[in-house]
Amino acid sequence: SAVISQKPSRDICQRGTSLTIQCQVDSQVTMMFWYRQQPGQSLTLIATANQGSEATYESGFVIDKFPISRPNLTFSTLTVSNMSPEDSSIYLCSVGPGQQETQYFGPGTRLLVL
Amino acid sequence: AQTVTQSQPEMSVQEAETVTLSCTYDTSESDYYLFWYKQPPSRQMILVIRQEAYKQQNATENRFSVNFQKAAKSFSLKISDSQLGDAAMYFCAYDEGYNAGGTSYGKLTFGQGTILTVHP
Repeated sequence: SAVISQKPSRDICQRGTSLTIQCQVDSQVTMMFWYRQQPGQSLTLIATANQGSEATYESGFVIDKFPISRPNLTFSTLTVSNMSPEDSSIYLCSVGPGQQETQYFGPGTRLLVL
Repeated sequence: AQTVTQSQPEMSVQEAETVTLSCTYDTSESDYYLFWYKQPPSRQMILVIRQEAYKQQNATENRFSVNFQKAAKSFSLKISDSQLGDAAMYFCAYDEGYNAGGTSYGKLTFGQGTILTVHP
């Protein structure tokens, strides 16, 4: 299975500011995904990030609010822009499915917006 | 769009006993994958077990097994000999579709989750 790290692990931010979350994988992967988990809720897919192409966003998520970069096959970033308290969530990156048809998750970034 | 439903917001079990978590899903696809993930208080998502829809045999991983009923679109998780470390939120997830190359699109749809408490 892939080893995935995320930075920062947590942060407290002021409304109106932006935060960039990094996701690093220990092997090359084709597909990377970004999920949001709001307090007490399940995970919701924000977007799919493939290297060499623009990210594909799910309904309800837009590039201006959640710009994503995928410069190579082991790294991606998600920026949460112009934050409001409603953006307080855990943001998780995942990779997969690969040969084993399984998706693995990073440890998540816990974001609190004041 | 596919939906995944976990009708049990909370479940509890005594240590060493067996518990079953329920999951139903809705899809028009014939080939897909189903997963159970565990999320302890650390918030790390940990894969528990996976099931390929084209396989009739139920998946097992040590103390964890599933009851996959394709016609009924049901995918329950059985935890045998429950341990204190099994306490967590459990999510059922559906893997949406396949591309032309035969590998999954990898877009997971999650259920609402079931909080499992294990009593000593």
